[in-house]
Amino acid sequence: GENVEQHPSTLSVQEGDSAVIKCTYSDSASNYFPWYKQELGKGPQLIIDIRSNVGEKKDQRIAVTLNKTAKHFSLHITETQPEDSAVYFCAATAVIQGAQKLVFGQGTRLTINP
Amino acid sequence: KAGVTQTPRYLIKTRGQQVTLSCSPISGHRSVSWYQQTPGQGLQFLFEYFSETQRNKGNFPGRFSGRQFSNSRSEMNVSTLELGDSALYLCASTPRGGSYGYTFGSGTRLTVV
Repeated sequence: GENVEQHPSTLSVQEGDSAVIKCTYSDSASNYFPWYKQELGKGPQLIIDIRSNVGEKKDQRIAVTLNKTAKHFSLHITETQPEDSAVYFCAATAVIQGAQKLVFGQGTRLTINP
Repeated sequence: KAGVTQTPRYLIKTRGQQVTLSCSPISGHRSVSWYQQTPGQGLQFLFEYFSETQRNKGNFPGRFSGRQFSNSRSEMNVSTLELGDSALYLCASTPRGGSYGYTFGSGTRLTVV
């Protein structure tokens, strides 16, 4: 079945610097790759996603890149701010019993230091 | 528009008891998926319901079950609770099922003592 690995598990950057989180997946049939942000006491919130027919997508300070050949995708946050501190999860689709579901990475705890 | 609502937010149960958690999806969403979140295992898929039918099930023992009602609200039940069932249980809804556009609730924090 699908396996998603995420690195690093923790990341600390200075405010204003960039942060990069990387994920690899195992199922070449995966075609959708969302990223979620989870703040303390809340459920994960979708922040950006990319489909397999696109190599890069950007939304203000956040961008995601996808390399289908290498089966990896990355989240880039530029000009980081204190409110970016949270746990970030990548995910990839998997088809189980004919129905699609998301398989998540283990998460990255991002800390922005003022 | 109201988001995904999970109740209760917190629960403390004793080993051997059973528990029922509730999830009300976004209005108009017909699919509800449940995930278990723990520090060691991350987010693990439990099951998905669409139009009152279980479409998909993760690798969890039969003590974990669920159902969906005609108004798309869903419940999950865990019987004979074990200490290892302590976790944050999250549900997510989508309009038509599948993986696109998951919206998560805030979860139910279950502690088994």
